[in-house]
Amino acid sequence: AQTVTQSQPEMSVQEAETVTLSCTYDTSENNYYLFWYKQPPSRQMILVIRQEAYKQQNATENRFSVNFQKAAKSFSLKISDSQLGDTAMYFCAFMKRGSQGNLIFGKGTKLSVKP
Amino acid sequence: KAGVTQTPRYLIKTRGQQVTLSCSPISGHRSVSWYQQTPGQGLQFLFEYFSETQRNKGNFPGRFSGRQFSNSRSEMNVSTLELGDSALYLCASSEGVGTGMGETQYFGPGTRLLVL
Repeated sequence: AQTVTQSQPEMSVQEAETVTLSCTYDTSENNYYLFWYKQPPSRQMILVIRQEAYKQQNATENRFSVNFQKAAKSFSLKISDSQLGDTAMYFCAFMKRGSQGNLIFGKGTKLSVKP
Repeated sequence: KAGVTQTPRYLIKTRGQQVTLSCSPISGHRSVSWYQQTPGQGLQFLFEYFSETQRNKGNFPGRFSGRQFSNSRSEMNVSTLELGDSALYLCASSEGVGTGMGETQYFGPGTRLLVL
């Protein structure tokens, strides 16, 4: 069975600074997908970034980028130039190829961006 | 396009009752997944439907069931409610055409269920 671990329950960062959220996962699968989702307070969950395991190039989306280390089974999220609107719970998630709709989530990291 | 919608947004039930939650996916999306979110267990996958068929199922008891209609709208039902069923139930939709190809799921706002 696959597991996803986020070792940082809470983090804080000053506005405009950079922060990195950690995620490790355990799987025997070779083909899978990794995601970071953001859940702002009392708002719905939205996708931040998506990574295909067979692609070595790290995904980026504007201020958000990942460091994907397949051999180490690590998938960290870097947020550059943090903004107050980045305050949210961040969930790392795993999906095995062929298992559509079945996201396995980590417990989440609560990120607070301070002015 | 309108996003994923869920009704009702809040619900209070008592132990032993049953409840039905509804989810309308984004127009054109054919896959609908359901998740339970609790402070203790986090986000857990319940089941996924595509073209009115359940394709994947998580490790939940049979009290949890679902279905999908021909217009891709989905419902989930929980029978004989227990206190531990209190949670935020999230629905997510995706296009569903790339089966198992890691399609992005778009989440609804959730239904918060409180069981007394």
